Amino acid sequence: DTGVSQDPRHKITKRGQNVTFRCDPISEHNRLYWYRQTLGQGPEFLTYFQNEAQLEKSRLLSDRFSAERPKGSFSTLEIQRTEQGDSAMYLCASSPLPGLNTEAFFGQGTRLTVV
Amino acid sequence: GESVGLHLPTLSVQEGDNSIINCAYSNSASDYFIWYKQESGKGPQFIIDIRSNMDKRQGQRVTVLLNKTVKHLSLQIAATQPGDSAVYFCAESGATNKLIFGTGTLLAVQP
Repeated sequence: DTGVSQDPRHKITKRGQNVTFRCDPISEHNRLYWYRQTLGQGPEFLTYFQNEAQLEKSRLLSDRFSAERPKGSFSTLEIQRTEQGDSAMYLCASSPLPGLNTEAFFGQGTRLTVV
Repeated sequence: GESVGLHLPTLSVQEGDNSIINCAYSNSASDYFIWYKQESGKGPQFIIDIRSNMDKRQGQRVTVLLNKTVKHLSLQIAATQPGDSAVYFCAESGATNKLIFGTGTLLAVQP
């Protein structure tokens, strides 16, 4: 499967715990995006990388959230001290060429439930 | 299973009919638009895109229309099938390819 891969698919955690999600983009895609989606809503932009550089972060991304893409390939999204409001689907997407309007391909998402 | 379509506008059509899903976008500077299909528990799946220098683009059974004057986008699905049942999102973007998604429309195809 050469699509965007996300791990884990589901995560249940207790409030206050830290969680980390991984995204493996389509090979050689320069851009990688993280989105969050709550039930009944469209995905909301969190942050994006061009290669290893994090170029933009949404105001939705509080200090408890951090994302990395150390080698310009896979990316991780960490949430510290999780809160019930963090429960959502976390989606990763990648796109091939910077500066051109090409579609972003999404992974299947990681469903986070904070109890 | 989960219901992605809670609180979403719903379009109910009969199998074989044509469907039209509408979307109003927000940023007049957006120059690229995409329609995504999302089935319950899955990530959004690309359907069709259109650039701002076009007003119509056709794919297999799908057509996207863009009206920049009123910032309106529509998706037409011909001969709608049960497998088309899903939530449909329009998305807009500019130079960064950062996508801004609309609210979504639940398409329910009745056999």
